[in-house]
Amino acid sequence: AQSVTQLDSQVPVFEEAPVELRCNYSSSVSVYLFWYVQYPNQGLQLLLKYLSGSTLVESINGFEAEFNKSQTSFHLRKPSVHISDTAEYFCAVTPSNDYKLSFGAGTTVTVRA
Amino acid sequence: GAVVSQHPSRVICKSGTSVKIECRSLDFQATTMFWYRQFPKKSLMLMATSNEGSKATYEQGVEKDKFLINHASLTLSTLTVTSAHPEDSSFYICSARDYRGDPTNTEAFFGQGTRLTVV
Repeated sequence: AQSVTQLDSQVPVFEEAPVELRCNYSSSVSVYLFWYVQYPNQGLQLLLKYLSGSTLVESINGFEAEFNKSQTSFHLRKPSVHISDTAEYFCAVTPSNDYKLSFGAGTTVTVRA
Repeated sequence: GAVVSQHPSRVICKSGTSVKIECRSLDFQATTMFWYRQFPKKSLMLMATSNEGSKATYEQGVEKDKFLINHASLTLSTLTVTSAHPEDSSFYICSARDYRGDPTNTEAFFGQGTRLTVV
């Protein structure tokens, strides 16, 4: 079985400041890793994913995450946030030979001017 | 990316009635769809995996007779909450995998969610 721990439940941040959302996972098998974003009363949208290859993955809107196998982490970062980045962020993992996503508890990011 | 449409987005029903939620993959065939429940300030809890043409696989603790899932076609899965009670009030989200014939395609696309309120 897999589990995901998001270490921060709420992260307040000022506009244009950097942000890091921490995610650790545990699994006895190899996994794929994902970050999803959820805006109020909406479904989830994929932000970025790690399947294989380069451990640093980037999204089109400036987020990046780095897979660290030794630390079993997949932290999400953005060097400069916007008000529109205010949302709930979920880290998720699935075994590479399966398709069931296991989600972390989520991190609420609130960006203030 | 592929589009998953969920309907309705909001529904209010009386206690004891049944409510059906639809999940459609609009531009791809989804052999597998997933139903999640999300409590306020909580993560998503997988309820069941819906496979086209076969019975759904329910997660431990989810009542099969309470949450009926039907996946009659490659583009439609439905979740029916039967004899709804106020404790069933929640945000329900579906997702679908777009295999496109490639079993290593791991991306799941999510519907917009359905806010169910049982009064």
